Parts: sequence; C-alpha cells; structure tokens
Amino acid sequence: DSGVTQTPKHLITATGQRVTLRCSPRSGDLSVYWYQQSLDQGLQFLIQYYNGEERAKGNILERFSAQQFPDLHSELNLSSLELGDSALYFCASSVVGSLAGGGTYNEQFFGPGTRLTVL
Amino acid sequence: QQPVQSPQAVILREGEDAVINCSSSKALYSVHWYRQKHGEAPVFLMILLKGGEQKGHDKISASFNEKKQQSSLYLTASQLSYSGTYFCGTISSGSARQLTFGSGTQLTVLP
Repeated sequence: DSGVTQTPKHLITATGQRVTLRCSPRSGDLSVYWYQQSLDQGLQFLIQYYNGEERAKGNILERFSAQQFPDLHSELNLSSLELGDSALYFCASSVVGSLAGGGTYNEQFFGPGTRLTVL
Repeated sequence: QQPVQSPQAVILREGEDAVINCSSSKALYSVHWYRQKHGEAPVFLMILLKGGEQKGHDKISASFNEKKQQSSLYLTASQLSYSGTYFCGTISSGSARQLTFGSGTQLTVLP
C-alpha cells in the first residue's frame, strides 16, 4: 500500500459524459501527478500539481482538466468522453529525498488507479 | 521524448538472469525503474542520479551510463515474483521534474 488513495476504483460511463476522478496523496506530499495508461501501453503523463498550483503539463487533452485543493487532494475531470478515453488513470504523489552525496531525487508513489470504461 | 526500452519482452526460467535496457536521446538527470503487475499500480524499484548516486532495493541492481544516457536494470537469480512489466522513467537535465516513461518490458518468469 503506497498510501495514495484513488476513488472510484472502477467507472463505467457512456460517450459524451463527464466524470471526476479523485486522488488523495500520501500524508505530507505536496505534489500530485496524473497519468493515463491505455491497454497494454506505457504511462502517459498528464499533469502535475504542487501545493495547489499547476506545475507541469504533459499530453493532456483540452477536454480534461484537473485541480488540487487546499487539503492537497486532487481531482481529474474528463468531459465529452470518447471510446478512446477508456484507460487506467493513476495518480501519484511524491517526496523529494536527499542522498548522502547531496543529490536530490523525486520518488513517486502511485495509487491503485481508476479503471475508466467508456461505452 | 520517450526513452526507448529493450527488449520489449523476455521469458526466462526461475534462477536465470535478465538485463533490461533504457536509453534516451536527451541528457538525463535521473533514471527511475518501476515494476507493474497486471492491473496494479507501478511500484518503485530504483532511482539512479547523474553523478553516480542511487537509491533502491537490496536485491535490485542497475547502472547509469551518463555519457551514453543509458541505464540497465539487472535481475539476477530471478524468482516467479519478478514477473511483470518493467518501466524506466527519465527526468531530463534542466527540465521540470517530470517523469517520462518508456513503453515497458514485459518479463515472464517460468517455474
């Protein structure tokens, strides 16, 4: 258990609909990342938030949006859904660690994912 | 740009060794390795930083060639539990700390 929670676990909806996926990061982690993983594909980075502000954007469609709230949980909103949006959506939170030699690293902990099926 | 992993898939017997490679066309700050079981979340294995530092699990080893922007993950004396898809993720030097993942290597360990 990574400590990152995501709800719901499964979501089945129809084309054209809108859904909201929710993520709660590990206690103390300020960064939240969203990834999309289509069937047998790699992880595609969508967007990152840090302490409530958007930090980086990846291949996120205009139909998708996200936000991070003051309590640090995050929501990913997917609208005008298409069949191709069916995928596993992962949220990750991260901690910045330091190594003995002074290097810093960013370790991401992934939640269990939300499986979205668009019919 | 996505790092390139090789091989795409490998099948081995319990106790055999395997090497998974990851290469990037960009100058890298760090390389991250994750393992994902089917339908589950990716699990962190290892981080290798430019300059030689690394953090990971005792039973996993990896290397990072900064000149070639390549990393290799070494799985020795493989166990059935090693089966899964291995992803490398890279963070480029000078960029936001954003991980770009490769397409994965599917590892199957047979008894």
